Amino acid sequence: DTAVSQTPKYLVTQMGNDKSIKCEQNLGHDTMYWYKQDSKKFLKIMFSYNNKELIINETVPNRFSPKSPDKAHLNLHINSLELGDSAVYFCASSQRETGGDSPLHFGNGTRLTVT
Amino acid sequence: DAKTTQPTSMDCAEGRAANLPCNHSTISGNEYVYWYRQIHSQGPQYIIHGLKNNETNEMASLIITEDRKSSTLILPHATLRDTAVYYCIVRAPRPTGTASKLTFGTGTRLQVTL
Repeated sequence: DTAVSQTPKYLVTQMGNDKSIKCEQNLGHDTMYWYKQDSKKFLKIMFSYNNKELIINETVPNRFSPKSPDKAHLNLHINSLELGDSAVYFCASSQRETGGDSPLHFGNGTRLTVT
Repeated sequence: DAKTTQPTSMDCAEGRAANLPCNHSTISGNEYVYWYRQIHSQGPQYIIHGLKNNETNEMASLIITEDRKSSTLILPHATLRDTAVYYCIVRAPRPTGTASKLTFGTGTRLQVTL
């Protein structure tokens, strides 16, 4: 019954590697997001897709590339991982905006550790 | 989107009401007030939102002042499971096909104790 699910839950990898995080939502939402929570617990938006179209890109390095094969999935691929990429990455989804009352539903996060 | 100010931390005894304040003095007329919480090691969880009127759901009540410059989230009977960081966010509606940047501040760390 998980509404927004992310895999893997934990990801430990070495610098320079390429890795992907997958996200799927079964809520029928049109919009999906990636957020990053750093070691100081600040949550910052990275990307947003609406119906497979990129609509928010928040000054994220080109090494990060989101991919949305369909509106229920938004995957995050990271190239040439760096130590500073270590964080918890959250996927979220929301219904199409129709007046401002469309809450975001978050997954439980992927804890990425780069060594 | 307007900025919000919340106390860094609060304590509440189990079974008592937890009242979490939020100031949003620069809120615009079309901006909603949203509350989320993040329990340790989990993703943020939507609690409630409102525009002008007070709102209540199965989780909490939201009281918005008449001038809309502040609000209070009320958990009527706090339990240990309500220990979390609570975020108050103001957010304007966006045109269909676009998305809003839900901007999280530092929130209030609520500790519910026995």
